[in-house]
Amino acid sequence: GAGVSQSPSNKVTEKGKDVELRCDPISGHTALYWYRQSLGQGLEFLIYFQGNSAPDKSGLPSDRFSAERTGGSVSTLTIQRTQQEDSAVYLCASSRLELEADTQYFGPGTRLTVL
Amino acid sequence: TQLLEQSPQFLSIQEGENLTVYCNSSSVFSSLQWYRQEPGEGPVLLVTVVTGGEVKKLKRLTFQFGDARKDSSLHITAAQPGDTGLYLCAGAGYSTLTFGKGTMLLVSP
Repeated sequence: GAGVSQSPSNKVTEKGKDVELRCDPISGHTALYWYRQSLGQGLEFLIYFQGNSAPDKSGLPSDRFSAERTGGSVSTLTIQRTQQEDSAVYLCASSRLELEADTQYFGPGTRLTVL
Repeated sequence: TQLLEQSPQFLSIQEGENLTVYCNSSSVFSSLQWYRQEPGEGPVLLVTVVTGGEVKKLKRLTFQFGDARKDSSLHITAAQPGDTGLYLCAGAGYSTLTFGKGTMLLVSP
């Protein structure tokens, strides 16, 4: 596709359940980023991938959060045993190169609601 | 931890007015980016400023990077309803961006 796509667009789950969020980056983009955006908060960096490896996982809030990327393309963010405080919009972005000033192109996000 | 403070948090103005939003930090960034985000969508990059003192213009939007590369401002001239959105600044670090909380701008006809 022309842009970054994310699925599902909305996810409602019960506390304690596991969820998987998917990101399809722009074809050929090397770097992929996950952010979380809560109401009234800025974008909180979670993790980024260079190819299939994740050099920086420092933003993951807890060990319930994990992410993987396969084939240098699709990435999934998994949240285990979801809690109400996990409710947020999860945004994925990709960039052509892993450069600090390189343009990041964002997907529309997945809105996660934990009841 | 590098923090970016944006002000004001919320701005409601009439069409045709001018406005300025600010992005301040105690840290130096190698570059700073401004994004605009509309409801239900991801942020879209407006501009990247790299050099201290740099001024960039994008139609009615003027972006300035402070001399010390710690702060930036966005000035909109003659705002239009289409300018409504969340404006986010982001400082570039090693491979990641640090975002401010944003300024929500509402321009009424």
